[in-house]
Amino acid sequence: KQEVTQIPAALSVPEGENLVLNCSFTDSAIYNLQWFRQDPGKGLTSLLLIQSSQREQTSGRLNASLDKSSGRSTLYIAASQPGDSATYLCAVRGGSGGNKLVFGAGTILRVKS
Amino acid sequence: DAGVTQSPTHLIKTRGQQVTLRCSPISGHKSVSWYQQVLGQGPQFIFQYYEKEERGRGNFPDRFSARQFPNYSSELNVNALLLGDSALYLCASSLEGNEQFFGPGTRLTVL
Repeated sequence: KQEVTQIPAALSVPEGENLVLNCSFTDSAIYNLQWFRQDPGKGLTSLLLIQSSQREQTSGRLNASLDKSSGRSTLYIAASQPGDSATYLCAVRGGSGGNKLVFGAGTILRVKS
Repeated sequence: DAGVTQSPTHLIKTRGQQVTLRCSPISGHKSVSWYQQVLGQGPQFIFQYYEKEERGRGNFPDRFSARQFPNYSSELNVNALLLGDSALYLCASSLEGNEQFFGPGTRLTVL
């Protein structure tokens, strides 16, 4: 059974700091990994999708890496801003087919101005 | 293009009642998945439908059911509501095998 863990559970940083969010998964046989952002009480916004054959993806100030063999992914946020404050969720899709995503519990990020 | 839409936004029910939640996928997306998110946790997979057929089911009781219509919209039904069914219900659509896009969710409160 796939399990996804995100560390840290919460993070508070001053504006402008670079930061790294961590995600680990127990079964390396994944199809892809997706990072999401969720604002309080809202739906999920897709940030980055990494296919199992890829090592990283970049979008603006965000960079996500994937090391499938070790079961790890990181989300790097450069020059953080107060608007980045949200919960960040990591989810993996298994390699056995179907669209089921298995999520971590998320990292709550607060960027202080 | 419009994103994934869900209705209603909020819903309050009492224990034992039944509820129907609705989802319209992004135009062209044939796959719809449903997730339940309890406060403080990540979303849990309930169902996936593709081309009107069930493709996956999570570890939820038979009180939960779903269907997909010819226009690829979907409904999630929950019978005999329990207090523990209170959650944010999320719908996601995708082209099969690709990035999933989520709707704003339906907040269900069971009293």
